[in-house]
Amino acid sequence: KNEVEQSPQNLTAQEGEFITINCSYSVGISALHWLQQHPGGGIVSLFMLSSGKKKHGRLIATINIQEKHSSLHITASHPRDSAVYICAVDRNNDMRFGAGTRLTVKP
Amino acid sequence: EAGVVQSPRYKIIEKKQPVAFWCNPISGHNTLYWYRQNLGQGPELLIRYENEEAVDDSQLPKDRFSAERLKGVDSTLKIQPAELGDSAVYLCASSQAGAVDEQFFGPGTRLTVL
Repeated sequence: KNEVEQSPQNLTAQEGEFITINCSYSVGISALHWLQQHPGGGIVSLFMLSSGKKKHGRLIATINIQEKHSSLHITASHPRDSAVYICAVDRNNDMRFGAGTRLTVKP
Repeated sequence: EAGVVQSPRYKIIEKKQPVAFWCNPISGHNTLYWYRQNLGQGPELLIRYENEEAVDDSQLPKDRFSAERLKGVDSTLKIQPAELGDSAVYLCASSQAGAVDEQFFGPGTRLTVL
């Protein structure tokens, strides 16, 4: 069993829909990251969380340390949000990555 | 400010040939990471440097892979000889103070081994 599990693996949405991507992990962590990877390989760090909730524009990330679970939400989704979203956990300088969620937002 | 720079962006080689990737981290970032990302999977850490010291290379296949970070700035990752299974995207990332801080990723080098 992977230490970091993401769901769903693939997600297709219509423009404007509210999107949720989930991440569960099985180990103790010092921080959790949400990353965005566009076609061609470029990775951008969206959030780093150790507790609570963070918001940046239309993106919201939450984490529940007790339940070892995090969610990434996208409000009013847009085709330019189409990308792979990767959850990564930080275990004292040892990073573990989820397999990613491929999001496609159709106009 | 320039981001993490990697070259080449793409490389196609025949199996058993050597190959090398280069990474220039963001200025001032002491920590440098090399990751391998297979198709449809998340990145897998190969090696992490703190300045010029490799502090975590437990996932690096040492029989064919080697890395160096002379002077604690630029880094090269080498594969010799390459195998078919080495086809992947090799990502370099850097951060200011270890993995707890935000990592900045380079565009990656897509390696295809024929």
